[in-house]
Amino acid sequence: AQTVTQSQPEMSVQEAETVTLSCTYDTSESNYYLFWYKQPPSRQMILVIRQEAYKQQNATENRFSVNFQKAAKSFSLKISDSQLGDTAMYFCAFMSATSGSRLTFGEGTQLTVNP
Amino acid sequence: GAVVSQHPSWVICKSGTSVKIECRSLDFQATTMFWYRQFPKQSLMLMATSNEGSKATYEQGVEKDKFLINHASLTLSTLTVTSAHPEDSSFYICSAPTADATDTQYFGPGTRLTVL
Repeated sequence: AQTVTQSQPEMSVQEAETVTLSCTYDTSESNYYLFWYKQPPSRQMILVIRQEAYKQQNATENRFSVNFQKAAKSFSLKISDSQLGDTAMYFCAFMSATSGSRLTFGEGTQLTVNP
Repeated sequence: GAVVSQHPSWVICKSGTSVKIECRSLDFQATTMFWYRQFPKQSLMLMATSNEGSKATYEQGVEKDKFLINHASLTLSTLTVTSAHPEDSSFYICSAPTADATDTQYFGPGTRLTVL
């Protein structure tokens, strides 16, 4: 079974600064996908970024980028130029290519962006 | 991105009654949908996988007779909480993966259930 661990329950950052959220996972599979989802106070889950394990290049989406270290089973999220609207709970998630789209979530990191 | 809706967004019911929550994929077809439960400040807990045209697959510890799931069409799955009790009060979220190569899951906005 896969596990996903987010070791930072809470983090805070000043507006316009950069913050990195950590995520590690454990799997014996070689073909999988990793995701970061954000859940703002509205509680709507929003996809932030996605990474395919077979791709060596780190995914980026505007101010969001990941540092994917496959050998270390690490998948951190970097948020640049933090904005107040980035305040949310962030969940790291794992999906095996053979799991039928089933997601395994980490415990989440509550990020607060301060003005 | 793809859109998933849920209805109702919140519901209050009396103990012992049943409540139905709908999950719809608005602009894509979903042969599979997922139902989660989330307690405050906690992660999402997968309850069951809803399969169009067949029985749902429940996670260990989830009572299938209490949480009835029906996936009647390629765009609609329903979760019925039967004989609800206060401990069933929670936030329920559904999701559906797109059928394209990305296989990305999109989530509904959630339903807050309060059982009095």
